[in-house]
Amino acid sequence: AQTVTQSQPEMSVQEAETVTLSCTYDTSESDYYLFWYKQPPSRQMILVIRQEAYKQQNATENRFSVNFQKAAKSFSLKISDSQLGDAAMYFCAYFPPGANSKLTFGKGITLSVRP
Amino acid sequence: SQTIHQWPATLVQPVGSPLSLECTVEGTSNPNLYWYRQAAGRGLQLLFYSVGIGQISSEVPQNLSASRPQDRQFILSSKKLLLSDSGFYLCAWSVQVNTEAFFGQGTRLTVV
Repeated sequence: AQTVTQSQPEMSVQEAETVTLSCTYDTSESDYYLFWYKQPPSRQMILVIRQEAYKQQNATENRFSVNFQKAAKSFSLKISDSQLGDAAMYFCAYFPPGANSKLTFGKGITLSVRP
Repeated sequence: SQTIHQWPATLVQPVGSPLSLECTVEGTSNPNLYWYRQAAGRGLQLLFYSVGIGQISSEVPQNLSASRPQDRQFILSSKKLLLSDSGFYLCAWSVQVNTEAFFGQGTRLTVV
């Protein structure tokens, strides 16, 4: 069974600084998708960034970028120039191939941003 | 553009009462649909997903059931709620498998 592990329950970052959120996953598949979702206090789940395993290039979306290490099964999210609005819970998610596959989430990490 | 509607936003129900949460998607056809539950401060647990009308896959044996009576409608139900059914329920959709899922705004269910 595939698992997604986010070992840090909480992190804090100073406004304008950079923070990295860690995620590891376990799979025997070679092709799959990885995602980072943000859940602010409103609890609306918002897609931050996605990575396709067959692409070696790390995905980037404005201030958000990932460090995808396929061999190590690691998928970390880097937030640059942190803003107060980045404070939220962040979930790493894994989606294997196949018609009956399911999107599996880690337990999440709560990020606070200090002004 | 595609949108997802989920209601109600908040619900307080007594133990033993029935439940019906509804989710509809607009702007797309034949979406994959999902119901997740999130306990306080925890991750998301997949409850049900559907790849087509009448096709429901259950992930966790429990007091809940799901139905998909129309292409873009997904309903989560219970005949008799338990205290343990309390939580935050999220509906989501994706264009096809292995693509990102887009979420509704969620329903906070409190069983008293």
